[in-house]
Amino acid sequence: AQRVTQPEKLLSVFKGAPVELKCNYSYSGSPELFWYVQYSRQRLQLLLRHISRESIKGFTADLNKGETSFHLKKPFAQEEDSAMYYCALWRSQGNLIFGKGTKLSVKP
Amino acid sequence: DGGITQSPKYLFRKEGQNVTLSCEQNLNHDAMYWYRQDPGQGLRLIYYSQIVNDFQKGDIAEGYSVSREKKESFPLTVTSAQKNPTAFYLCASSTSSGSSYEQYFGPGTRLTVT
Repeated sequence: AQRVTQPEKLLSVFKGAPVELKCNYSYSGSPELFWYVQYSRQRLQLLLRHISRESIKGFTADLNKGETSFHLKKPFAQEEDSAMYYCALWRSQGNLIFGKGTKLSVKP
Repeated sequence: DGGITQSPKYLFRKEGQNVTLSCEQNLNHDAMYWYRQDPGQGLRLIYYSQIVNDFQKGDIAEGYSVSREKKESFPLTVTSAQKNPTAFYLCASSTSSGSSYEQYFGPGTRLTVT
């Protein structure tokens, strides 16, 4: 079965602290994974994709095939990072499956 | 402002009535998608279309119907058969149905059925 699991519904950290949003997946084959973000009153948008191996707004995510994980990390959280984060997996049917999301709250 | 538009922003209907949600894009994208977003459930795929005049069921298609008569339009009808229609509905599009293409999302329509 193709599945995405985000174990944390809510993650609360203080400004300047490191943050890690967890994502685990189930997929046979080579997975393609994404992180989407939804800031308050804004549209859902792509944050980064593993294939690009890029860092966006200080966030990085490394695909770990051994642990079937694609955790999103940032060394120093900012208040403007507060948002809803969704991990997504490209399915063989030709569409994305999303995790249930993690709400990140960065406190001052 | 180009991109994807969804209308209306808020929609209220009585139980037993069908309702159609609009989704339009001017990005010249081939693929379009409908998702339902519920608290604690994330996004769940309802229907998707990879090309005009063709569409496929997603994970929760029961009680919904779509059409794709034009490249820029992908309306979703929530029928009276949908048991729990009250939700936030998101439309998205991408250049192609290929995996490396980013999905662009609309602002969403919040449907309330009483």
